[in-house]
Parts: sequence; structure tokens; C-alpha cells
Amino acid sequence: DAGVIQSPRHEVTEMGQEVTLRCKPISGHNSLFWYRQTMMRGLELLIYFNNNVPIDDSGMPEDRFSAKMPNASFSTLKIQPSEPRDSAVYFCASSSRVTEAFFGQGTRLTVV
Amino acid sequence: SQKIEQNSEALNIQEGKTATLTCNYTNYSPAYLQWYRQDPGRGPVFLLLIRENEKEKRKERLKVTFDTTLKQSLFHITASQPADSATYLCALESGGSYIPTFGRGTSLIVHP
Repeated sequence: DAGVIQSPRHEVTEMGQEVTLRCKPISGHNSLFWYRQTMMRGLELLIYFNNNVPIDDSGMPEDRFSAKMPNASFSTLKIQPSEPRDSAVYFCASSSRVTEAFFGQGTRLTVV
Repeated sequence: SQKIEQNSEALNIQEGKTATLTCNYTNYSPAYLQWYRQDPGRGPVFLLLIRENEKEKRKERLKVTFDTTLKQSLFHITASQPADSATYLCALESGGSYIPTFGRGTSLIVHP
């Protein structure tokens, strides 16, 4: 397996634009997490899916953020409209419950 | 409120020495605790998982202890090498949620 695959690796966008981040989890994993990492706040959980169903979205900052998991092999995180304070590295991770989480390489988002 | 605390100051040690990193937590009753390594520009990589009923876990040059009374985990790297230089994060799950919540991490720098 190629591991967790995220795209794009880097995204630079203007304030107010829509941004969509994509994630392909490891086949067979039933848990998927979206995290955001910044120097100020570290690695924060945004949303957790189990068997494609959102279980905990309490970390989603506000209505501008939305996440979907239409099937077991694909998830998206959308920001609309984007703001400069959304600039961060966004990680997707997958796991099989009580085991380690496998992280993707991350998407570095810069909103100017 | 729940807190996971890791030393924010970088740990500098000489090659060959043992590095010891600390993870303290409050208001958690984790069933297990995990340690991850993160290199610049990459996602965290799982190293070790220790359960609440385990006092110690070893893997090659790595050793983790877990004291649920002190609410503390220690992470040791023996015979450290410059290649061990990275940021090390601890992660706890809360109340059977299976969601890893991460500390801010501690940077380790091993000097040749």
C-alpha cells in the first residue's frame, strides 16, 4: 500500500477563494482523521470519521470548514471562503481503531 | 480542562547519550498512549503504543514508560544518534474515543 495520499502538497490561494484538500486513506482502515498543524497551536483534530460517518467534528473551526467522506477510499476538506488565518499544514490520517494512526505527507496551505 | 504537556524547549544531547522526553497529562484517563516522530516537512510517524496496564514497552533503542498515577509517560532513546534528531509527539485517546489527541511535541537535537 502506498500509504495515506494527500493532494495537493502545496496550495497558495487568495483570501476569499474556495480550497479543497483531498485524502485517500489506507485500504481497509475504517477511521479517518483531519488534523491542522500550526506553530501556535500544534496538531489539532478537526474531524473524525468512522466507517465513512462523521463522528466528531467539534474541532472544525467554523462554518467555513466542511468535510466529506463519500466512500471508504476518499475524503475531502473544504474551506470556503478561505482566510489568511487558515494558513497551516493540514494532515489526513487513517487507522484501524486501537492501532497507530498513519499520516499523509500533509498539504501546506497559504492564504494570501 | 484536558491538557497534554511536553517540554517546549529543545533537548540537546551528545551522540551516544540517552535522550529522555516527558509527556504529562491532566484530566485524561487514557486506555493507551502513543509516541510519534515528526521530521520537518513530513507527517508524524508512529513509534510505540503503551496500554494503561503496561508499565514499560521497548523497541530496539526505544523505551516508553507509562505511570497512570503520576499521569506521565517517559520516552527514552538509548545510544542516541544524529539521525534521531526530530520532533517527538505523544498522543492520548480520551474516554474510549479512539481519537488520538496530540501534545505540542519536543524537539530533540543529537550532536555528533
